[in-house]
Amino acid sequence: DQQVKQNSPSLSVQEGRISILNCDYTNSMFDYFLWYKKYPAEGPTFLISISSIKDKNEDGRFTVFLNKSAKHLSLHIVPSQPGDSAVYFCAASAATGGFKTIFGAGTRLFVKA
Amino acid sequence: SQTIHQWPATLVQPVGSPLSLECTVEGTSNPNLYWYRQAAGRGLQLLFYSVGIGQISSEVPQNLSASRPQDRQFILSSKKLLLSDSGFYLCAWTPLRSGRAWEQFFGPGTRLTVL
Repeated sequence: DQQVKQNSPSLSVQEGRISILNCDYTNSMFDYFLWYKKYPAEGPTFLISISSIKDKNEDGRFTVFLNKSAKHLSLHIVPSQPGDSAVYFCAASAATGGFKTIFGAGTRLFVKA
Repeated sequence: SQTIHQWPATLVQPVGSPLSLECTVEGTSNPNLYWYRQAAGRGLQLLFYSVGIGQISSEVPQNLSASRPQDRQFILSSKKLLLSDSGFYLCAWTPLRSGRAWEQFFGPGTRLTVL
């Protein structure tokens, strides 16, 4: 049972344009959502997060939007840069879940110069 | 500052051989610790997590086991490796007392190839 889904395995965007990465979840008990960025042969690094009591969180070029009714969140990167090319993982946690974090399958972003 | 170490970085093992991967965290105490596996072309699969010494929770039935002999040490083991155990193994920890318990910090990973 995939509780966190990233249905797009890859995304290609032109440098300077917006990148939108999507994520859907099924467990309504999730109350914290995170995005991680991963380069090949390295561990993921934390990018941005959002609590379930908010619908938007912004950090520089990165904005995460949460639509609780649709159980959907998205990561916007504006403007996209070639250095943003990586795999992006969506993740979710529940306070009742013992601090377990469930990850999606990831979306590989290619930003073309 | 906190750091997380994993070793070895790469490992090639024959089918049926044992496995021991080690993870240690520095600069913090009583962290939650996690083992994940990323198979080729797949996402991150949570294998084990631990909230304290000797406390291990297993997420999926498999050929692997985990142990936490010390507060900041987490070990992933197998008695007999299978081909399907190949993948990129990641250790992670969360700083429970920082108010950001949800953010996980990952180690550099171990690339395991079972032949």
